[in-house]
Amino acid sequence: AQTVTQSQPEMSVQEAETVTLSCTYDTSESDYYLFWYKQPPSRQMILVIRQEAYKQQNATENRFSVNFQKAAKSFSLKISDSQLGDAAMYFCATTNFGNEKLTFGTGTRLTIIP
Amino acid sequence: GAGVSQTPSNKVTEKGKYVELRCDPISGHTALYWYRQSLGQGPEFLIYFQGTGAADDSGLPNDRFFAVRPEGSVSTLKIQRTERGDSAMYLCASSLTSGNNEQFFGPGTRLTVL
Repeated sequence: AQTVTQSQPEMSVQEAETVTLSCTYDTSESDYYLFWYKQPPSRQMILVIRQEAYKQQNATENRFSVNFQKAAKSFSLKISDSQLGDAAMYFCATTNFGNEKLTFGTGTRLTIIP
Repeated sequence: GAGVSQTPSNKVTEKGKYVELRCDPISGHTALYWYRQSLGQGPEFLIYFQGTGAADDSGLPNDRFFAVRPEGSVSTLKIQRTERGDSAMYLCASSLTSGNNEQFFGPGTRLTVL
């Protein structure tokens, strides 16, 4: 079974600054995917970024990037130039290759301070 | 284009009653997923459909929960003899095909069992 741990229930960052959200996971599979999802207040969950475990290069999407440490089973999300619209719950998730179900962590609530 | 829609957005029922929650996936998406999100937690997988068939229902908590997708599009999650512990946000997601494609989430149905 897979598990995902997010040890930071809440984080805050000053607008325009950089923040890093932590995630660790456990899986016995060699092929898997990792995701960060964003869930704004009262709005639906959207995918922020994804990483294939077989790729060594860290994924980036504009202001969002990950630090994927496969040996340590760590998958942190870095948000650069934080904006007010980044305020949301952020969930780390994983799924095995060929297995469709996502396993989520408990989330980190990110607050942006103007 | 239209995203994933879920109806109703809120459902309040009494303990012991039967409820149906509906999900309309994005047109053309063959894979459909149901998750349950309790307050302060990440979503938990319930069931996954590929086309009309349930490819993985390992997350359904007990036999009071059942889901169908008779024509490979709209899906209905059915809960019999509701219990207070069933109170949660029920999320539906769809993806273009299976194979770890991005899952697009709906806004959810908040179920409250009194």
